[in-house]
Amino acid sequence: DQQVKQNSPSLSVQEGRISILNCDYTNSMFDYFLWYKKYPAEGPTFLISISSIKDKNEDGRFTVFLNKSAKHLSLHIVPSQPGDSAVYFCAARVEGGSEKLVFGKGTKLTVNP
Amino acid sequence: DADVTQTPRNRITKTGKRIMLECSQTKGHDRMYWYRQDPGLGLRLIYYSFDVKDINKGEISDGYSVSRQAQAKFSLSLESAIPNQTALYFCATSDRTGGSQPQHFGDGTRLSIL
Repeated sequence: DQQVKQNSPSLSVQEGRISILNCDYTNSMFDYFLWYKKYPAEGPTFLISISSIKDKNEDGRFTVFLNKSAKHLSLHIVPSQPGDSAVYFCAARVEGGSEKLVFGKGTKLTVNP
Repeated sequence: DADVTQTPRNRITKTGKRIMLECSQTKGHDRMYWYRQDPGLGLRLIYYSFDVKDINKGEISDGYSVSRQAQAKFSLSLESAIPNQTALYFCATSDRTGGSQPQHFGDGTRLSIL
């Protein structure tokens, strides 16, 4: 049973516009949510995170929003750049100190010049 | 130089062979992890280790074993490889300080079992 879901396998946006990547989860015991970006032939790299007690975290062009009642989070990239083209994974950390992460399947973002 | 180094980067082998994937890190992190990624799927945790004497199974540990030879080294073994273990394997590390410390990943090992 998938605890972290990214229902859009792909997303295409124009350079300069906003990219919105979505993620849903089912487990109320997650205490942190993270977004990773992955380029081909490279490992995932950490992008931004949010604690379950927050509803927004911003870092430059990247903002993550968390809606706990809906068990939904989203990553906003504004403005989108061609270099943002990558696969984005949503991950959730299991509460309790194990540091275990549960990953979604990923969304492939393409930013067109 | 990469902080988390995985060797080999690519490996093709036959069913039944024993295979070892190695991971070393220069980040000084206590915690290390092994994941696999299959096409169209997210990363799934195989094993994790909080220090040299602490090894834990992840969600898909069957068919795999690990060894934490030192704080900086964590290897994954497939004792008798089978074709459905063909996947992309990632090693990751994290700091013990908790909070929102993210995991840092190596560039992966692409393993094909014929």
